[in-house]
Amino acid sequence: DAGITQSPRHKVTETGTPVTLRCHQTENHRYMYWYRQDPGHGLRLIHYSYGVKDTDKGEVSDGYSVSRSKTEDFLLTLESATSSQTSVYFCATENRKWDSVNSGANVLTFGAGSRLTVL
Amino acid sequence: SQELEQSPQSLIVQEGKNLTINCTSSKTLYGLYWYKQKYGEGLIFLMMLQKGGEEKSHEKITAKLDEKKQQSSLHITASQPSHAGIYLCGADTVGGADGLTFGKGTHLIIQP
Repeated sequence: DAGITQSPRHKVTETGTPVTLRCHQTENHRYMYWYRQDPGHGLRLIHYSYGVKDTDKGEVSDGYSVSRSKTEDFLLTLESATSSQTSVYFCATENRKWDSVNSGANVLTFGAGSRLTVL
Repeated sequence: SQELEQSPQSLIVQEGKNLTINCTSSKTLYGLYWYKQKYGEGLIFLMMLQKGGEEKSHEKITAKLDEKKQQSSLHITASQPSHAGIYLCGADTVGGADGLTFGKGTHLIIQP
């Protein structure tokens, strides 16, 4: 278990307000991901990080930004929340450590999820 | 981009019966991962398949990878209530740097 903690677990907010979701890991994993899960769409990648201050966009990155100022924390920010961003957000880490090469096995470990409702 | 199609979308099975879930990729599979999600919870890793013809088992769950068909199947033998949940397949993207692409999931309900 990668020891992933997501906060908050549940949040209700209003359209136009900023929201930040936090993902904290205790395993020193290099790669971290933010996904959203929606009915009919499954899991879709928002952003990912391959190191401190190294991030890149995923499939559905519009309206989201991320930051990773230290290994343990990966923040997802909605600058101005919209109703279309109502979703369940999952953070994941990958079991490649800083000094390992890509063995081709990308096992992801997921957090418990953060349910966001934008009214 | 790679797409994964899972079938069936939902499945209701009587306890004790066997079942199979399929995952078909639109592109070459470099690695195929099966996860299970209980309702309202995160995803739990089940197993990973990397080579054509590979087969892995965990308790009563067996997964196989057919490289030629770009397809994986997940088979549950003698289903139990604990098997209920959402099963998702995930695949490596080319290069492997940006996580996994996932199918939309198969909802499994076990009837007593």
